[in-house]
Amino acid sequence: IAGITQAPTSQILAAGRRMTLRCTQDMRHNAMYWYRQDLGLGLRLIHYSNTAGTTGKGEVPDGYSVSRANTDDFPLTLASAVPSQTSVYFCASSEVSGSTDTQYFGPGTRLTVL
Amino acid sequence: GQNIDQPTEMTATEGAIVQINCTYQTSGFNGLFWYQQHAGEAPTFLSYNVLDGLEEKGRFSSFLSRSKGYSYLLLKELQMKDSASYLCAVKDSNYQLIWGAGTKLIIKP
Repeated sequence: IAGITQAPTSQILAAGRRMTLRCTQDMRHNAMYWYRQDLGLGLRLIHYSNTAGTTGKGEVPDGYSVSRANTDDFPLTLASAVPSQTSVYFCASSEVSGSTDTQYFGPGTRLTVL
Repeated sequence: GQNIDQPTEMTATEGAIVQINCTYQTSGFNGLFWYQQHAGEAPTFLSYNVLDGLEEKGRFSSFLSRSKGYSYLLLKELQMKDSASYLCAVKDSNYQLIWGAGTKLIIKP
């Protein structure tokens, strides 16, 4: 593994189903992030984690949950998917969460909720 | 509220120069980033500015004026592979990135 991986690449999901998007990084970065990207809008932060064992809410956290059991993994769970959660989801990581810190992105998961 | 404004789309000719502007209004400022995103791919880091002035990196340069809440990304000697979206993002007082919607740059031969 080099960088950040996400799985699945794409998924079509029935409304009401539970879904976990996986994210793994091998750069030993402390901070990790989940964004959604919708046409015509900027990336919006869903949840973040500054270090293993801690998580925080971003701009659009409702309907999503995360966990950070270790440094490498940061899964995003949709407990009961709704059509408005149709989006492209990007996981990102950075060495720390400070001001000069650059975020590096995974390849994304394209999710369609019907 | 917090706001990042960029033009939605720009067109330029191969070999030419293009300037993509970004204006921002955020609660605090801890740096401004430019990312490139090709269609269907992840954003990739281009540049970072925290002090006023111009930062040059090969064909790409980025400028910042904190007093005006303004930045631009300058791309020189445009190549077809530069066709992409360019995202402007500002780190606010909580060190969270606030993102613009991106500027789609179309390069014509």
